Order: sequence, then C-alpha cells, then structure tokens
Amino acid sequence: DAGITQSPRHKVTETGTPVTLRCHQTENHRYMYWYRQDPGHGLRLIHYSYGVKDTDKGEVSDGYSVSRSKTEDFLLTLESATSSQTSVYFCAISALGTGVSTDTQYFGPGTRLTVL
Amino acid sequence: DQQVKQNSPSLSVQEGRISILNCDYTNSMFDYFLWYKKYPAEGPTFLISISSIKDKNEDGRFTVFLNKSAKHLSLHIVPSQPGDSAVYFCAANSQGGSEKLVFGKGTKLTVNP
Repeated sequence: DAGITQSPRHKVTETGTPVTLRCHQTENHRYMYWYRQDPGHGLRLIHYSYGVKDTDKGEVSDGYSVSRSKTEDFLLTLESATSSQTSVYFCAISALGTGVSTDTQYFGPGTRLTVL
Repeated sequence: DQQVKQNSPSLSVQEGRISILNCDYTNSMFDYFLWYKKYPAEGPTFLISISSIKDKNEDGRFTVFLNKSAKHLSLHIVPSQPGDSAVYFCAANSQGGSEKLVFGKGTKLTVNP
C-alpha cells in the first residue's frame, strides 16, 4: 500500500469555523490531490498540487484552499465551514512526472467531516 | 456534463458467477482508464487499468475490456466472491494532456453467497 495518511480521520465542527485537513505521504510523489465523496456524486476533485507551492483548482474548489510547503504534506483548509461541506475527504498521490507517464492515483483512508 | 458515466448504480450477482460492470465515456481524448474498488470507511483502492493501445487487460479474476469505437469499457470479475462486494469506480485520463482523473459515480456490487 502507498504510504498515505490523513488526519484527523473524523471531525465534527460547527458552521463558520475554520478546518484544516492534512495529507501526509512517504512516497516522495510529485502529485497530490484532494477529493470529496458524496452520495450520487462519486469522487470530485477539489484541488491538486504538482509540486511544492504549485497548486491548481479542481471542479469543486469554491470554499476550499490548499497549501503545500513540503513534498510530503498537502493541507486542505475550509476557511469557514458550511453544512454543504459535510463529506468524506480523500487525499490521493500519483507518481506522474517522476518518470511515470500514467496517472494511477493511490488514495488515503479518508477523513469524515461533519459540519453542524 | 458527465464525461465518465456508470449508468448502473447497483448490481447484484451470485457467488461464483460473473460480474460485469460497465462504464461509458464521451471524451475521445481519454486514452487511459482505471477501475477502483472501495469498501465502506476505506479509501478507494486501485484495481486494474488499461491503455487505449490495448483492448483487454487481465489480472487474476479481473479483466477490463475496452471498446474505443463505442467509448465503452467493462470490468469482468470471474468468479465473483462475497469479498468483491464494494463500490467500483471507473476513471479516465488523457495521458500527456491532463494530470487529473475523471471519475464515474460508481456502481455498488453485491455478491450474494
């Protein structure tokens, strides 16, 4: 299994509070991704990173920001959480760009976030 | 607009029989396709992939078939086992064109003993 951890694994917070989720990898992969999974929607990309300090938006980026100051860590921040951001969040990594041409992504265990 | 479609939200099969999960795509630039398996409370796990230069790829009980002209791929599981019960996601990518995978909404497979 790819070395990917996510913290926290579960979080309950209140509307309007800031929340930061952390993804940590030990594979030294260049690409990291944040997804959310919701019933009826499958996996939707929030943001991704293609290197330290290099990030870009996905299809559902509104209300989220990310930061990557080290290769191994990718942070997802909800500046002011809303109930619509209640979801399961998955981090993924890919070896793309490091001599690998195919974008096979490997996922972390997920963080279940509930915004009350 | 949904570029990767899994039109069956659920599928139920008997243990030992074949499971066939289907996926359609609309973007003709897609040339790399993947299947992921997801158990409840776990992250998706990569299962098998296929490049557009092939029409079939096998890995044990799992075979993926690609029909480029129909923009259709399928995952065959033979024989199906109760432990295969999970949600299966199809994903696609354009190699050299995008670093992002596009996922279908998933099909929940139930294998009955």
